[in-house]
Amino acid sequence: DVKVTQSSRYLVKRTGEKVFLECVQDMDHENMFWYRQDPGLGLRLIYFSYDVKMKEKGDIPEGYSVSREKKERFSLILESASTNQTSMYLCASSLGVFGTGEKLFFGSGTQLSVL
Amino acid sequence: AQTVTQSQPEMSVQEAETVTLSCTYDTSESDYYLFWYKQPPSRQMILVIRQEAYKQQNATENRFSVNFQKAAKSFSLKISDSQLGDAAMYFCAYRTYNTDKLIFGTGTRLQVFP
Repeated sequence: DVKVTQSSRYLVKRTGEKVFLECVQDMDHENMFWYRQDPGLGLRLIYFSYDVKMKEKGDIPEGYSVSREKKERFSLILESASTNQTSMYLCASSLGVFGTGEKLFFGSGTQLSVL
Repeated sequence: AQTVTQSQPEMSVQEAETVTLSCTYDTSESDYYLFWYKQPPSRQMILVIRQEAYKQQNATENRFSVNFQKAAKSFSLKISDSQLGDAAMYFCAYRTYNTDKLIFGTGTRLQVFP
């Protein structure tokens, strides 16, 4: 079965720190996504990537950047963490065949607290 | 822009009973997919059921079924014979035909009482 692994389950950082959230998938998926989950707001797409070194902005990219140097790894970067970035971050991947309605595979999430 | 609305922040059901979770969406597309995902306390998102918009037949997966009303843009999830393990957050999600991006609703927290 596909495994999407997020490097940390819980993370506590200080305001202004540079934060890296790492995500690795093991099934050669083309597409990878970063979502942010907040109570009452559901999941919102931050960034996604359809290929290595390729990225596209989602609905809420401000304050974030991403890196995809290898197909299996997709990193979310908070250049200068702020308290309003305290949230649950979910990584997901999918095979990438358009029009098939295939499902996304999710990691278990990283709960980030910015103090 | 497409939107997904879940109007029930919380629902509860007795074990073995049936519960229906509501979802409406807005789109101008004719081809798309709809999903229900479950997120238990472990935080692992699990696909419950999927519906292709071009199919008139409602999708069914064991105790889970949907009522897909394309004209009304409604996609409700029915859970029959509810079990304690069904307790979770349930998210409705939409995806257009030519992209893998999912648009999620705000979620419904389902409690199951013995």
